[in-house]
Amino acid sequence: DADVTQTPRNRITKTGKRIMLECSQTKGHDRMYWYRQDPGLGLRLIYYSFDVKDINKGEISDGYSVSRQAQAKFSLSLESAIPNQTALYFCATSDFSGSPGELFFGEGSRLTVL
Amino acid sequence: QKEVEQNSGPLSVPEGAIASLNCTYSDRGSQSFFWYRQYSGKSPELIMSIYSNGDKEDGRFTAQLNKASQYVSLLIRDSQPSDSATYLCALEGGTGFQKLVFGTGTRLLVSP
Repeated sequence: DADVTQTPRNRITKTGKRIMLECSQTKGHDRMYWYRQDPGLGLRLIYYSFDVKDINKGEISDGYSVSRQAQAKFSLSLESAIPNQTALYFCATSDFSGSPGELFFGEGSRLTVL
Repeated sequence: QKEVEQNSGPLSVPEGAIASLNCTYSDRGSQSFFWYRQYSGKSPELIMSIYSNGDKEDGRFTAQLNKASQYVSLLIRDSQPSDSATYLCALEGGTGFQKLVFGTGTRLLVSP
């Protein structure tokens, strides 16, 4: 089983619908992240969390919200999905004692908004 | 100017050759540099990190960092078809929390 698990892996939805992407990890890491990947734009940080009570916006947080339900769980929500949120979304973790640059990624969630 | 620049490729090399992947960056305050490998349809995987000027070797991989010239390179010796992937350069930049900034990646194709 993967150390960082994302659900769903694929989702097709319609404009205006609320979508939640879930991430759970068994690595015991404190830090969790949500990134989106678009062709030609690379990986961009949406939100990050250093512990259950710490939530921070990344560079592209507009239109997204997150919830850190437990050390091991970090969910990303799109309150009202729009087509330009079609992308590949990755959850990632890192160890507090290590470098923030040493990320462990989940398998990704491909979201299509029609 | 983008914070992290990579040639998108594809970079094509024959099996057994040395593949050289390059990355330039704009933030002189960057201290930590990383190379991730991403196979098509898969998630990125960390393969190298480098924090000081010079070379760092790990098996067939060598990372090279030159902070004065603001570039970081990844050399893959004895390239194998299984090395065909997109290689993402990343660095810790910005202020406060040193968030990771990714380049858009270079696609490497190793032909048998």
